[in-house]
Amino acid sequence: QLQLQESGPGLVKPSETLSLTCTVSGGSVSSSSYYWGWIRQPPGKGLEYIGNIYYSGNTYYNPSLKSRVTLSVDTSNNQFSLKLSSVTAADTAVYFCARVLVGWYCSDFWGQGALVTVSS
Amino acid sequence: DIQLTQSPSFLSASVGDRVTITCRASQGISSYLAWYQQKPGKAPKLLIYAASTLQSGVPSRFSGSGFGTEFTLTISSLQPEDFATYYCQHLNSYPTFGPGTNVDI
Repeated sequence: QLQLQESGPGLVKPSETLSLTCTVSGGSVSSSSYYWGWIRQPPGKGLEYIGNIYYSGNTYYNPSLKSRVTLSVDTSNNQFSLKLSSVTAADTAVYFCARVLVGWYCSDFWGQGALVTVSS
Repeated sequence: DIQLTQSPSFLSASVGDRVTITCRASQGISSYLAWYQQKPGKAPKLLIYAASTLQSGVPSRFSGSGFGTEFTLTISSLQPEDFATYYCQHLNSYPTFGPGTNVDI
């Protein structure tokens, strides 16, 4: 049974870097059939796609976040990670990791989400 | 950039009702559209992709249709567990979401 689990600090100070890791179990990040993505949702608001990464390291980023986002994949530990730099209160959100189907770019499995609050 | 709009934003319905939600794209997107259901405090759940393909395990009362710029999600007979927010998503290398439709009692 595939499971995705986000982990990382729940509180980040303004101007610092938000870092989250998604650990995949019951499946492999090295699969050629999937990308691995990040989506966020500010409290009470809608969904925003951050980006996705392939096992080879190829990435696609939301243009509005591209200058601040770095995605990476660790095939040996079956994990992928998100770094978002220079955060502000507007980056406060629940961050979801997800499996993304190659070809269709739909997210068919999601982690439970991790709330990250940006505050001093 | 392609923008998605959804209508209505809010929908009040009763168990057993037939419910239709519309998603419109600012440009033609062929069949590159998905629908998700999200309940409070939970991750979204994929219902439909490729505009009309039902994701495995999703009840058959959910259906999707459309092509190009106008798409619909239909719930043929609303069940108590269907009260949720529904999002459409343009399926692209960086997918974008519609603003959501809240289906409430």
